[in-house]
Amino acid sequence: RKEVEQDPGPFNVPEGATVAFNCTYSNSASQSFFWYRQDCRKEPKLLMSVYSSGNEDGRFTAQLNRASQYISLLIRDSKLSDSATYLCVEAFSGTYKYIFGTGTRLKVLA
Amino acid sequence: GAVVSQHPSWVICKSGTSVKIECRSLDFQATTMFWYRQFPKQSLMLMATSNEGSKATYEQGVEKDKFLINHASLTLSTLTVTSAHPEDSSFYICSAREGRAGSLPDTQYFGPGTRLTVL
Repeated sequence: RKEVEQDPGPFNVPEGATVAFNCTYSNSASQSFFWYRQDCRKEPKLLMSVYSSGNEDGRFTAQLNRASQYISLLIRDSKLSDSATYLCVEAFSGTYKYIFGTGTRLKVLA
Repeated sequence: GAVVSQHPSWVICKSGTSVKIECRSLDFQATTMFWYRQFPKQSLMLMATSNEGSKATYEQGVEKDKFLINHASLTLSTLTVTSAHPEDSSFYICSAREGRAGSLPDTQYFGPGTRLTVL
């Protein structure tokens, strides 16, 4: 089983829609998670961190479900500029290593 | 703040040559830097963890003699792809861990990446 799993998509949604992605992880002891967004041929950029139950930043909400070992990202009122690949990251304490999921591709359509 | 640069941004080389990629933290000291590789339509794969003043720790399956990593200062790490071959063509991205007081723990900041094409 992969350590961090994501549905690769693509998720095609109209502008203004609400879309949610999930990401499952296998290490029950992990405490730090992140969502990054990556545009085509660019580096990942930090979107949100998820340390406890959840985090909200404007239209973006991330939640952590420890019992089921998954992280979710909710995007409300989707914009065309939200089109990107969203990467889920599990961070390991001590070594500070990141394990990336395969990414979920989002296309917001006009 | 927390800006990471990489140089060069892209490079094309002949098979058999060596290529050096630099990763710099511009406005903070990075005790730990990481090197990733990303093939088309795949996610980032960690190649190695680089700590200033010590040997890099390589992930399983990554040849340390082929991918030489040097972390000589708190703001600079270099990755040298030795005797590059076409299968080494990829997007190489570095990141740096800030670790300052008040910063989020474990946050990594990524460089813009280097696109390597080996002919």
